Amino acid sequence: EVQVVESGGGLVQPGGSLRLSCAASGFTFSIYWVTWVRQAPGKGLEWVASIKQDGSEIFYVDSVKGRFTISRDNAKNSLYLQMNSLRAEDTAVYYCASPSHMTLHAFDIWGQGTLVTVSS
Amino acid sequence: QSVLTQPPSVSAAPGQRVTISCSGSSSNIGNTYVSWYQQFPGTAPKLLIYENNKRPSGIPDRFSGSKSGTSATLGITGLQTGDEADYYCGIWDTRLSAYVFGTGTKVIVL
Repeated sequence: EVQVVESGGGLVQPGGSLRLSCAASGFTFSIYWVTWVRQAPGKGLEWVASIKQDGSEIFYVDSVKGRFTISRDNAKNSLYLQMNSLRAEDTAVYYCASPSHMTLHAFDIWGQGTLVTVSS
Repeated sequence: QSVLTQPPSVSAAPGQRVTISCSGSSSNIGNTYVSWYQQFPGTAPKLLIYENNKRPSGIPDRFSGSKSGTSATLGITGLQTGDEADYYCGIWDTRLSAYVFGTGTKVIVL
């Protein structure tokens, strides 16, 4: 079964850190750019970061630059998001997303999401 | 503030047709593929349309996509109560080096 499963969310105080993980299975994870997308409560989807197949290119939304780091381990079919200096506005469900053999130009594979709550 | 603008909501009776617009510019929609995602409350988004007008297997042909100039449109015919959800367009904006989602549209079945 093709799937990605996120983990690592939770409650963290402002200024704190959290590391999210995404475990992929059932497809060739290593050949795709992969992405983190988040959704704040009651809000729309927001792209957070994407990483190239070999990690040589990375892009971030401006609001997380310098605070979040996306990385991957193709040997473990895993994607990560290290989140530092967390703010209340980072509170959201974080989704791992990937293209598939069907198209490279859209996110065909989504996880169930992991909730990050930044609050004192 | 997304660079892709969608109407906040559209509504129609069961069996009718609705269209959702996604308005951008020549620097984004004008030169890239548009995708559409469907999201039910509390669940992950699901790819509905890719490369402007293609449907993944399992997506009914009631759903269609098109693109013209700097706008894209999602059409839903034969509207069903089960279509009540939020719909988002999305593109990779090469100028911003960022993936951009539209502002989102809630479909309401009257």
